[in-house]
Amino acid sequence: GENVEQHPSTLSVQEGDSAVIKCTYSDSASNYFPWYKQELGKRPQLIIDIRSNVGEKKDQRIAVTLNKTAKHFSLHITETQPEDSAVYFCAATPTAGNMLTFGGGTRLMVKP
Amino acid sequence: GAGVSQSPSNKVTEKGKDVELRCDPISGHTALYWYRQSLGQGLEFLIYFQGNSAPDKSGLPSDRFSAERTGGSVSTLTIQRTQQEDSAVYLCASSLSGKVEQFFGPGTRLTVL
Repeated sequence: GENVEQHPSTLSVQEGDSAVIKCTYSDSASNYFPWYKQELGKRPQLIIDIRSNVGEKKDQRIAVTLNKTAKHFSLHITETQPEDSAVYFCAATPTAGNMLTFGGGTRLMVKP
Repeated sequence: GAGVSQSPSNKVTEKGKDVELRCDPISGHTALYWYRQSLGQGLEFLIYFQGNSAPDKSGLPSDRFSAERTGGSVSTLTIQRTQQEDSAVYLCASSLSGKVEQFFGPGTRLTVL
C-alpha cells in the first residue's frame, strides 16, 4: 500500500518568512495530493490540492509543487502570519475520492 | 449548510467496554470515511463506504472494530472490548461522488481507562 513520509515534524519561522513542508510517497499510482490544515482542537480543513497532471499550483500565499519522477511534493507558504500556526498534513491517493494516506504532520509555529 | 457532525464529542470508557461512535455526513455525500488520529500522530485510515458498494475495511486494525452505514447516510463505528491503545480521536469525513475534497467532522475523542 501507499506510504507517505512528511518532514519536518516541527517548523518554527518568524512572521513574514517562508515555510516549506516536504512529503514523499511510495505508490507511483498515486495521482491526487491534498494538503490539510488542522488548528488546535479543530477538524482538518483542505487548503490546497494538486493532481498528477500538473507540476505546480498556487493560491495566494500558498503553493504546492509535485515531482512525480522523484515521488515528492511540497507545500510552500510565503509571508507567513501568526494565524498560519497549525498542524499541516499531506496526503496521497491513487484515486481521487478514495481513502487518503496521510503523512505524520508538521507543526508550524509562526512567531510574531 | 450543515457540515459533517459526529457524536459524542468526547467519550470516556473503561477497558473492556464496547463503544459506538456516530457520524452524520453532509446531506447528499455518497462517500464516507473513518480515520483515527492518535495523540500527535497523523490520520490513519480505518474504513470507507461508497454508495451501495461493499465497504473497504482494509484499514480496520482488528476484528474488534466494525462499522456500518444505514440508508446510505449515518454511519456508526463500533469498538468492542476497548483497549487503552484504542484511545484516539476518531474522525469521520464525507465527499460527493466523483469529487475529491473530503470534508471532516469535528471528531470524537475516545479515552479508554
